Amino acid sequence: AQKITQTQPGMFVQEKEAVTLDCTYDTSDPSYGLFWYKQPSSGEMIFLIYQGSYDQQNATEGRYSLNFQKARKSANLVISASQLGDSAMYFCAMREVLSGGGADGLTFGKGTHLIIQP
Amino acid sequence: DVKVTQSSRYLVKRTGEKVFLECVQDMDHENMFWYRQDPGLGLRLIYFSYDVKMKEKGDIPEGYSVSREKKERFSLILESASTNQTSMYLCASSLLGTETYEQYFGPGTRLTVT
Repeated sequence: AQKITQTQPGMFVQEKEAVTLDCTYDTSDPSYGLFWYKQPSSGEMIFLIYQGSYDQQNATEGRYSLNFQKARKSANLVISASQLGDSAMYFCAMREVLSGGGADGLTFGKGTHLIIQP
Repeated sequence: DVKVTQSSRYLVKRTGEKVFLECVQDMDHENMFWYRQDPGLGLRLIYFSYDVKMKEKGDIPEGYSVSREKKERFSLILESASTNQTSMYLCASSLLGTETYEQYFGPGTRLTVT
């Protein structure tokens, strides 16, 4: 069974510091995708970044980068120069094929509550 | 922009009531999903659908059913609401065959069953 583990239930970080949110995954599929979502207090889920299992380079999107270590099965999210608006829940997720019909779904970790302090 | 809408942001129902949660997406996505989110548990998949009238169980389908009569609409039904179904419910959709398979989420419905 596929599984996502986020070991940091909560984190406090000073504004402007870099943040690393941990994520490890477990899968026997050779092809998979890894996602990070942000959920502010408003409740909406915001897609941040994606990494495919065959991608040679680590994904980057603005201040977000994904530290992908395939052999260790880890996909940590790095936020550079954190801002007060980065305070939110962050979820790591893995894409999996759910059925013969081709539907793919996401398995989520339990999340990390990040609080940026001024 | 993809838009996923849910019929209510907040809902309060009594135990035993039949509850309908509606989700509509406007980007012609094949896949639609219902999750529930509880503190400390992350998001858990209830049901999903990859085509009209098709539905499949996710990880926690007990006590729920779904309906997909039109491609853009996916309904979650609580046949007889119970207090342990108090939760945040999130609908999502995705386009079959895209490289990232990104899921787009609705704003969520916070359901309280008393």
